[in-house]
Amino acid sequence: EPEVTQTPSHQVTQMGQEVILRCVPISNHLYFYWYRQILGQKVEFLVSFYNNEISEKSEIFDDQFSVERPDGSNFTLKIRSTKLEDSAMYFCASSEAPGQSYEQYFGPGTRLTVT
Amino acid sequence: AQKITQTQPGMFVQEKEAVTLDCTYDTSDQSYGLFWYKQPSSGEMIFLIYQGSYDEQNATEGRYSLNFQKARKSANLVISASQLGDSAMYFCAFHHDSNYQLIWGAGTKLIIKP
Repeated sequence: EPEVTQTPSHQVTQMGQEVILRCVPISNHLYFYWYRQILGQKVEFLVSFYNNEISEKSEIFDDQFSVERPDGSNFTLKIRSTKLEDSAMYFCASSEAPGQSYEQYFGPGTRLTVT
Repeated sequence: AQKITQTQPGMFVQEKEAVTLDCTYDTSDQSYGLFWYKQPSSGEMIFLIYQGSYDEQNATEGRYSLNFQKARKSANLVISASQLGDSAMYFCAFHHDSNYQLIWGAGTKLIIKP
């Protein structure tokens, strides 16, 4: 069964450093998403991406964050100048075109720890 | 803004019993969808079931069913014949049909007792 993959599974970085979180969505999916979950808290939407551009973003997704689809398979989230409060689990998800299925398939997550 | 409420932070249920996890939502939209996801202690997010606002029948997927009461704006998850492996966090999530970001509830931690 096709699945969303994410690398790395765990990333430790120092405050102020840049990190890139990588995702490989399911190959025939058209919509891609990043969510985050701070430990013990609810899941929060960050950004959605369609047709090579951001379609929606939340208030959390400020200039510190960027997304990119550098090739036909990878979907990346870059966090510039990380802060302690960026420590969280980051989930990538993908879905088919609307009208086919609304289900969002989630990757296993990347646990980001900022020290 | 849409709000998703899960009023049960934690539940203990005896194995093999049915369990209902509550979810209410607040929206003025007519067209939307509701999801339930399971998050085991390992951390991954597993899709369980989806209900569209215009679906006339309640969604079912194996042991999972969604008790959708549109007028009450509730979308409760029912798990029949609970198993030890059902112990996990359960999240209810909402999306508009005009965009696809998921808005999440705070979750319910379900523990199945042997």
